[in-house]
Amino acid sequence: DAKTTQPTSMDCAEGRAANLPCNHSTISGNEYVYWYRQIHSQGPQYIIHGLKNNETNEMASLIITEDRKSSTLILPHATLRDTAVYYCIVRVGGSAGNMLTFGGGTRLMVKP
Amino acid sequence: KAGVTQTPRYLIKTRGQQVTLSCSPISGHRSVSWYQQTPGQGLQFLFEYFSETQRNKGNFPGRFSGRQFSNSRSEMNVSTLELGDSALYLCASSLVVRGELFFGEGSRLTVL
Repeated sequence: DAKTTQPTSMDCAEGRAANLPCNHSTISGNEYVYWYRQIHSQGPQYIIHGLKNNETNEMASLIITEDRKSSTLILPHATLRDTAVYYCIVRVGGSAGNMLTFGGGTRLMVKP
Repeated sequence: KAGVTQTPRYLIKTRGQQVTLSCSPISGHRSVSWYQQTPGQGLQFLFEYFSETQRNKGNFPGRFSGRQFSNSRSEMNVSTLELGDSALYLCASSLVVRGELFFGEGSRLTVL
């Protein structure tokens, strides 16, 4: 799987949008971008994924650049409960199955 | 529906002992993956099972083993425990291989 680079930590004011960047400059054409988050002492939680088009669900939006070398996860109105470590993962299909490679992630702190 | 259930949630062992951890996936999910999380190494893939067959294995010594039963429940075993095996062990299930992963709360193992 391609390697990802994320900032170690970020702060965001409650109610504002949180924009979490991820660099995946070596991504291949068949690799998806996945985002998970882990709230303290809990298992990671799936947020969203995409291949090349922007995606939106009830939790977040995912913006992928046209060259697919980077992406941004957007939490439109961050709350204190969004404080967590956010992981950006690129993932191939096929035989790699569910073997995910987690990096260090971004520790997002939402402040009142 | 019920989420991924891991037992036990907490356990303490001493060096040289062995441990077995259990994971019950979400009903209908046939793929189960295991991950180890430590402060130093982060989240690392251990192995993945689908329909009772190991599909992928991470870079861990042979002391780490697992299996999956016909009802998709899975167990992992660590023999001859070392201090460095102290970690949060996370199980994740998905409906199909390369599907969205749902993680359990984890089993926190402390080796003394």
